[in-house]
Amino acid sequence: DIQMTQFPPTLSASVGDRVTITCRASQSIDSWLAWYQQKPGKVPKLLIYKASNLESGVPSRFSGSGSGTEWTLTINSLQPDDFAMYYCQKNQSWGVLTFGGGTKVEMK
Amino acid sequence: QVQLVQSGAEVKKPGASVRVSCKASGYTFTGHYIHWVRQAPGQGLEWMGWINPNSGATNYAQTFQGRVTLTTDTSISTAHLEILSLRSDDTAVYYCARGKRDTYNLFVGSLDYWGQGTLVTVSS
Repeated sequence: DIQMTQFPPTLSASVGDRVTITCRASQSIDSWLAWYQQKPGKVPKLLIYKASNLESGVPSRFSGSGSGTEWTLTINSLQPDDFAMYYCQKNQSWGVLTFGGGTKVEMK
Repeated sequence: QVQLVQSGAEVKKPGASVRVSCKASGYTFTGHYIHWVRQAPGQGLEWMGWINPNSGATNYAQTFQGRVTLTTDTSISTAHLEILSLRSDDTAVYYCARGKRDTYNLFVGSLDYWGQGTLVTVSS
């Protein structure tokens, strides 16, 4: 099975910062990668699907990119509402999903 | 609007079984796979498996094979998760989620709508 390693586990940032979260696959993968945001006590929210496609209703400051084994979620101009946990998720064959360990974006 | 509404919290003893329900509305239930994901307290997300409501086909994460059963009742647009032989480390919030399809009706490998979660506590 392909393992997804997400880093950093914690990221301290300020409002207005540009933030990048990375998900590294144990082997080269295609673009079946998604990113989710989860706030404490809340349900995960889909941000990006198929590596770079913005889910409807998600602000354009969120973007996804990558290739091979390295995939990134970028938040341009971090807003107060963006302090949360972020998870990457890989779709493998037969719809088997694997989540990364998560990155907590906290206030500096 | 699309909604997935799950059944309420459960408290079970070790060795017991539990059944969690997920009622879908606002879309054609048979048109999207239902996935189940769990989250232990303070931990990350763990995928458990999916079910195709149209055919009843399932696929389980290896960790859960033999102990978890996914079913659906299409007459009431409801999916069920059953876990047998509960252990204390099964204590978690269990989510159902809908597999996202693109404009070509192909699964795009992500989950676009989620239920509110059901807390299952396993304790003696």
